Amino acid sequence: KNEVEQSPQNLTAQEGEFITINCSYSVGISALHWLQQHPGGGIVSLFMLSSGKKKHGRLIATINIQEKHSSLHITASHPRDSAVYICAGKTGNQFYFGTGTSLTVIP
Amino acid sequence: DSGVTQTPKHLITATGQRVTLRCSPRSGDLSVYWYQQSLDQGLQFLIQYYNGEERAKGNILERFSAQQFPDLHSELNLSSLELGDSALYFCASSVEGRVYNEQFFGPGTRLTVL
Repeated sequence: KNEVEQSPQNLTAQEGEFITINCSYSVGISALHWLQQHPGGGIVSLFMLSSGKKKHGRLIATINIQEKHSSLHITASHPRDSAVYICAGKTGNQFYFGTGTSLTVIP
Repeated sequence: DSGVTQTPKHLITATGQRVTLRCSPRSGDLSVYWYQQSLDQGLQFLIQYYNGEERAKGNILERFSAQQFPDLHSELNLSSLELGDSALYFCASSVEGRVYNEQFFGPGTRLTVL
């Protein structure tokens, strides 16, 4: 069993839809990272959070430390949001990565 | 463009060989992280350096080693290469070594071991 689980594994949405990607972890973490990996392979850091909620443009990330759960929301989704979204938790000196959620937004 | 550079972009080599991957962090960033992304294992954290010193170690094999130089660039050395070492290797940098500092990723080096 992975220390970090993401759901869903694959997601197809129509342009404009509200999207939620979930991340659950079984170990205590000090911070959680949301990453976006484009089809070409490049990785962009979206959020690093240890509590509460962060917002950047159409992206919102929340974390509930007690429930060991984080969500990434995309409002008014757009085809350019199509990518793999990866969550990663840090505990001690270890980083644990989810297997990613592949998102396709159809025009 | 994240400001993090990695060279080379692609590397093809044979089993048993040794290669060096290079990473230059964003200007002002003191911390460098190395990650491996393979098809079967996903992303894995290898090692972190902060201002020249090793800060954290992940699933890095003994055949792999890294260092960070006084000018803050970092090199990842992979030796006695095996087919399973074929992967994308990313480095990332952040301002400080604290866990909640945002990391900026380089474009990656694609290593193919034949």
